[in-house]
Amino acid sequence: KAGVTQTPRYLIKTRGQQVTLSCSPISGHRSVSWYQQTPGQGLQFLFEYFSETQRNKGNFPGRFSGRQFSNSRSEMNVSTLELGDSALYLCASSFNQQVNSPLHFGNGTRLTVT
Amino acid sequence: TQLLEQSPQFLSIQEGENLTVYCNSSSVFSSLQWYRQEPGEGPVLLVTVVTGGEVKKLKRLTFQFGDARKDSSLHITAAQPGDTGLYLCAGAGRAGKSTFGDGTTLTVKP
Repeated sequence: KAGVTQTPRYLIKTRGQQVTLSCSPISGHRSVSWYQQTPGQGLQFLFEYFSETQRNKGNFPGRFSGRQFSNSRSEMNVSTLELGDSALYLCASSFNQQVNSPLHFGNGTRLTVT
Repeated sequence: TQLLEQSPQFLSIQEGENLTVYCNSSSVFSSLQWYRQEPGEGPVLLVTVVTGGEVKKLKRLTFQFGDARKDSSLHITAAQPGDTGLYLCAGAGRAGKSTFGDGTTLTVKP
């Protein structure tokens, strides 16, 4: 069974630009969540989608948005990039929304904003 | 807001030593998970503990969930270089949202 796939692995962008990150969950998983990981802040929850609907959202500005498609694939968009957006962005899928449902993470997209 | 504090933040030990890392909160969690993350990779689930006082063993790793379901510990016996990584605890809160601690970075020297 293929794992969670995130593309691209690395991105370098300039301040003010926008970026779209992609996540393909494990086949059969309908829940996809996104996290930002930085050395100083740990894993911060961005948002979670289930069956194309955003179910939960973290405390991030509106520049961060996402969506989920009918095949459960998800994209995350960050507009008007700032230097502080440099981070590892992790996507995780799970079979359902139950609180004990384990998260399966991809290897992340490393975003560098210059 | 449910917060999880992990300690120590960094731990460097020699191969063969034992160690314990902690995950504490003032909030009650319905369950708690431990993940290990290696450089360049995403976190990988090690265990889920659900019942207060529960103890689970995974080879040389022993996980315990506090009686009040507010804290957890991970004990590693006879650590090996392959145990090196970032250990993260995550508490299950509202549906679809897990709260992560900042992690413990473990280095095991041969």
